[in-house]
Amino acid sequence: EVQLVESGGGLVQPGGSLRLSCTASGFTFSSYWLHWVRQPPGKGLVWVSRINGDGTSTNYADSVKGRFTISRDNAKNTLYLEMNSLRDEDTAVYYCARGVTVATVTPWNYWGQGTLVTVSS
Amino acid sequence: EIVLTQSPGTLSLSPGERVTLSCRASQSVSNTYLAWYQQKPGQAPRLLIYGASSRATGIPDRFSGSGSGTDFTLTISRLAPEDSAVYYCQQYGSSPWTFGQGTKVEIK
Repeated sequence: EVQLVESGGGLVQPGGSLRLSCTASGFTFSSYWLHWVRQPPGKGLVWVSRINGDGTSTNYADSVKGRFTISRDNAKNTLYLEMNSLRDEDTAVYYCARGVTVATVTPWNYWGQGTLVTVSS
Repeated sequence: EIVLTQSPGTLSLSPGERVTLSCRASQSVSNTYLAWYQQKPGQAPRLLIYGASSRATGIPDRFSGSGSGTDFTLTISRLAPEDSAVYYCQQYGSSPWTFGQGTKVEIK
């Protein structure tokens, strides 16, 4: 059974840093592109970042470029999102997501349960 | 960036009714790389439709998708009580991957 479990969320002050993790099981982790998607409280879904299977290719939304870094450790079946210079508007539930197939272009049918990041003083 | 606009914002319908949700893109979505997701409160999104019209594994056949180019539709043929949720369209053909703002479906 495919499982994605996020952790690392919490309360952080503006300007602070946080690292999210997404631990995966039930599939060949290194074969899949993985994404981070966030959802501000009461609002819609926003794509944040993605990384390819061996970690050599990444993309970011303009809103997080230069502040967030996506990475992965295939030996640990874990995806990361390092978040720096956090702003109030980064407050959201953060989900990791996996595609239906290993292809570059694929919708996402596996999602974690999400981890809440709150940026507030 | 492809902007997706969903309408209406909220729908309130009775069980058994037919539901039609719209998603309009600011530019053509390549190769119909358009998906629909259902999200219930406190839950992660669930993939319903991909490739504009293909149902994901395990999705009831009362859900169907259609459209191409810039206009797409999600139809629920007979609304069930468990279909109360927010529905999002998403284009996954070009970066940045974008979602519509969502349509909330309420059951009377």
